[in-house]
This record gives sequence, C-alpha cells and structure tokens, in this order.
Amino acid sequence: DIQMTQSPSSLSASVGDRVTITCRASQGISNYLAWFQQKPGQVPKLLIYAASTLQSGVPSRFSGSGSGTEFTLTISSLQPEDVATYYCQKYNSSPRTFGQGTKVEIK
Amino acid sequence: QVQLEESGGGVVQPERSLRLSCAASGFTFSDYAIHWVRQAPGRGLEWVAVISYDGSKSSYADSVKGRFIVSRDNSMTTVYLQMNSLRLEDTAVYYCARGSSTVTKKQPFQHWGQGTLVSVSS
Repeated sequence: DIQMTQSPSSLSASVGDRVTITCRASQGISNYLAWFQQKPGQVPKLLIYAASTLQSGVPSRFSGSGSGTEFTLTISSLQPEDVATYYCQKYNSSPRTFGQGTKVEIK
Repeated sequence: QVQLEESGGGVVQPERSLRLSCAASGFTFSDYAIHWVRQAPGRGLEWVAVISYDGSKSSYADSVKGRFIVSRDNSMTTVYLQMNSLRLEDTAVYYCARGSSTVTKKQPFQHWGQGTLVSVSS
C-alpha cells in the first residue's frame, strides 16, 4: 500500500506568516491528493482536491501544488482561525490513506 | 443538501460486536460509494473501509480486515459497519463519508457525517 508522509508534524507561526506543509506519497498518485482542515471537536473539512483545486468557499490564502509524489499546502498569510490540524489524503484508489497530520498553532 | 448521519456507537467490551449505521439523504444514494474513517482520541484520521455504490465490492484497512464487514441497503439509503472481535485500539470516533460516484470516479471526501463514538473498554 502507498504510504503518505506529512511534515512537519507541528508548527508554530505568527499571524501573517506564510506557512507550508509537505506531503509525500511513497508511490506516484498523479494529482489525486486532497487536503483537509480539522479544528478541535469538528469534522474534517475539504480544503483542496486534485492537488491544487480550491474547494468552494475556502479562502484564497490556501493553495496547493504538486503531482506524483510531492505535494504542498500553503497558507499565504496565517490567520487566527487557521489554527487546526491539516491532513493530506490520497484518493486514486483504496486504501485512501491519510497523512499523519500537521498541527498548526499561532506563535 | 447532502446529509450523512452515523449512529450505533457506544461502550462495548473487548471481543464483543457492534454495528454502526450511516443514514444518507439529499443525493442519489445508489450512485455513490461510501467510506468509513475513524479517529482515535487525540490521534489522526485513519481510513477504515469502503463499499461500492451497489454493494458488490468492499475494501478494508489491514487493521480491521477479517473483523469488520461493511454492507449497504440502497432501499434504506443506509450503510452499515459490522464490527466484530472489538479491541481496545478500535476506540475512536467513526465517520462515514461520501466517496466516488458511478459517473465521476475518484472523488474526494466532500461530505462527512458528524461521527459516532465507539469506546471499547472492559
């Protein structure tokens, strides 16, 4: 099975900072990569799919890039409401493995 | 609008069984695969299982293979997760999520239920 590895596992940044999270697949998955945001006590929310397509209603400060085995999620200007854990997930085939998550906090 | 609602969670002893339900509405249920995802307390998301739109195919995570069975009743727009031989490490919130359709393959999880908590404890 394909493994998904996220880095870092946590980060702390200031409001307004640019934040980048990386997700690596152990084998190529084309662009079948989604990013989710999960705030404490809430259901995961789809942010980006097809590696770089912003889900409707998601702020434009979020962006995604990559293809094959290397992907990134970028928050261009971190806001207090972005405090959450972010997960990548492959969806080209089952098992639809998730990355282990990246916890984003405000410094 | 698309709605998914899990039920059936609770406290259960190790080695016992429990059946979860995922009731769906707001879309053509029989056109979509449905997945189960779980999240242990303080841990990340773990994909558990999927059942195809017509129930003819299913797939499981290695951690539950041979113990969990996913099924569906399209007339009741409901998916079930039969969990047998439960272990302490199965304690988690279990979510159902809408997967790919018969028309659009390989769709991400846009719609999730609110989750139901399963606690395995002696």
